[in-house]
Amino acid sequence: SQQGEEDPQALSIQEGENATMNCSYKTSINNLQWYRQNSGRGLVHLILIRSNEREKHSGRLRVTLDTSKKSSSLLITASRAADTASYFCATVSGNTPLVFGKGTRLSVIA
Amino acid sequence: DAGVIQSPRHEVTEMGQEVTLRCKPISGHDYLFWYRQTMMRGLELLIYFNNNVPIDDSGMPEDRFSAKMPNASFSTLKIQPSEPRDSAVYFCASSSTSRQETQYFGPGTRLLVL
Repeated sequence: SQQGEEDPQALSIQEGENATMNCSYKTSINNLQWYRQNSGRGLVHLILIRSNEREKHSGRLRVTLDTSKKSSSLLITASRAADTASYFCATVSGNTPLVFGKGTRLSVIA
Repeated sequence: DAGVIQSPRHEVTEMGQEVTLRCKPISGHDYLFWYRQTMMRGLELLIYFNNNVPIDDSGMPEDRFSAKMPNASFSTLKIQPSEPRDSAVYFCASSSTSRQETQYFGPGTRLLVL
């Protein structure tokens, strides 16, 4: 069963703008991870945030986690054409491995 | 490190044929995962191994699918006989110490069953 659900399904922005993607989930989690997938490639891990953390940064990426609302957001600041990709959240609950959402397709237009 | 290696990258076969997908995980990783990705169903976990032992194969769609991991550096996913609905991209991923931590994905095998 799919745990995380990304929103929006697709997002198109101009280069230099910020991109925000959201992930909602249903049950309590141990951690939540964000991955990027470029067209025709495998997924690449971006950030892991644990249930006791509220915010993490990595370069131009900022991830927040609100366990009370069962949601997470991924913010990409000053987007570039190279950021064009699909972004997936993956949730970890109980003793199970990652469960991936269906992703957000981000297009950054130069 | 070369990362997770998968072969072949592309496979076109006819319905009824046997298909074997191969994966070499990152050296030292204890966990290996097989996923299938389609537009309709997204990314689905098929099976995963810990120290070469299958732990959970509940995601394997049918008996036509089987997976093995004879040693720490090699795994196969076999479909016999293949059907058009098996057409998808199959990914292998590995993880170092836990099924719940970061996974490293291979480039995938794009399978088309005619």
